[in-house]
Amino acid sequence: AQKITQTQPGMFVQEKEAVTLDCTYDTSDPSYGLFWYKQPSSGEMIFLIYQGSYDQQNATEGRYSLNFQKARKSANLVISASQLGDSAMYFCAMRGFQGGSEKLVFGKGTKLTVNP
Amino acid sequence: EAQVTQNPRYLITVTGKKLTVTCSQNMNHEYMSWYRQDPGLGLRQIYYSMNVEVTDKGDVPEGYKVSRKEKRNFPLILESPSPNQTSLYFCASSSTGGWSPLHFGNGTRLTVT
Repeated sequence: AQKITQTQPGMFVQEKEAVTLDCTYDTSDPSYGLFWYKQPSSGEMIFLIYQGSYDQQNATEGRYSLNFQKARKSANLVISASQLGDSAMYFCAMRGFQGGSEKLVFGKGTKLTVNP
Repeated sequence: EAQVTQNPRYLITVTGKKLTVTCSQNMNHEYMSWYRQDPGLGLRQIYYSMNVEVTDKGDVPEGYKVSRKEKRNFPLILESPSPNQTSLYFCASSSTGGWSPLHFGNGTRLTVT
């Protein structure tokens, strides 16, 4: 079964510093996609970054990068130069097919607080 | 503007009173899905649809129905809501080429008393 584990319920970081949010996954499928979403206190889900299982290079989108270590089954999100507006819940998710059905599984999230 | 529109944003209802949460997307996406978000549990998939007239159960389908008669619309129906369906609900859509990211609606906060 597909599974996403986010082991950090909460994280704190000082403004302008970098922070890494952990995500490990479990799947037996060779093809899958890994995603990170941000959910601010207003509640909407914002797509941040994506990594395909066959992508050779780590994905980057502005201040976000995804540290993809396939052998370790980890897909950590790195936020550089944290800003106060980065305070939010962050969800790691995996999308793939299992038994002919599409599966999209989310982790339980990490609450990031950026301190001034 | 490309978007997924859910309505209503907030809904308070009583046990047993049928309700429908609408979801519409204007991006011509084949894939649409519904999730519920509960504290400490993250998001869990209720139903999804790969295309018109094709729907499949997610991880928590009990107590819910969906239909996909048109590509742009994917309503979520609670025939007889119960208090354990009090939750934050999200509709999402994506294209089906590769592992495309989901575009989410703004959510519907449902309270069943």
